[in-house]
Amino acid sequence: GAGVSQTPSNKVTEKGKYVELRCDPISGHTALYWYRQSLGQGPEFLIYFQGTGAADDSGLPNDRFFAVRPEGSVSTLKIQRTERGDSAVYLCASRESGRPGGTEAFFGQGTRLTVV
Amino acid sequence: AQTVTQSQPEMSVQEAETVTLSCTYDTSESDYYLFWYKQPPSRQMILVIRQEAYKQQNATENRFSVNFQKAAKSFSLKISDSQLGDAAMYFCAYLTGTYKYIFGTGTRLKVLA
Repeated sequence: GAGVSQTPSNKVTEKGKYVELRCDPISGHTALYWYRQSLGQGPEFLIYFQGTGAADDSGLPNDRFFAVRPEGSVSTLKIQRTERGDSAVYLCASRESGRPGGTEAFFGQGTRLTVV
Repeated sequence: AQTVTQSQPEMSVQEAETVTLSCTYDTSESDYYLFWYKQPPSRQMILVIRQEAYKQQNATENRFSVNFQKAAKSFSLKISDSQLGDAAMYFCAYLTGTYKYIFGTGTRLKVLA
């Protein structure tokens, strides 16, 4: 695709519900990232995929959060038993592999999750 | 662990004037990459400029330039001839050796007409 696409753009859910956030990266980009951005803060790292595998999931806050990328392209961030503190903008980014600094991370427009 | 600090929560600049946004970082790595990203109200992060640590020459992209001081671990962004469209959040970011981007808390730039 032309850019990183995230759906939905906005999601309102009730406390305790399960949500899935989708990221469609730029075609051919093997690296994919999920970040969480709370109001007035910088993006906070959640997880990084290289191909189908999670190369680094050290940012996932607890076992309610899980992400998959089964075919090495589209990724889904899954949040179980949502809490009000999960409310944030969830950003996805993709990057070409190879020289890490020779290419930039391209971001989507994020999904604003609101837990009521 | 690497950290990125932006000490200016908000800055203002008059249209056509120059403004400098500050960023410091902490790392034990010798080779790394630094970036400035712009985030307008649309939420989409857009790369403004990048610097490779092994390059001593400061990066420049049109009206945007950096002052990279490796020994001081400082990476400031200078915006010349500021335009109304430059108004946004600006984030300094560090790319670790394990390919993780670490972001600062951001600086909100206001451009006054």
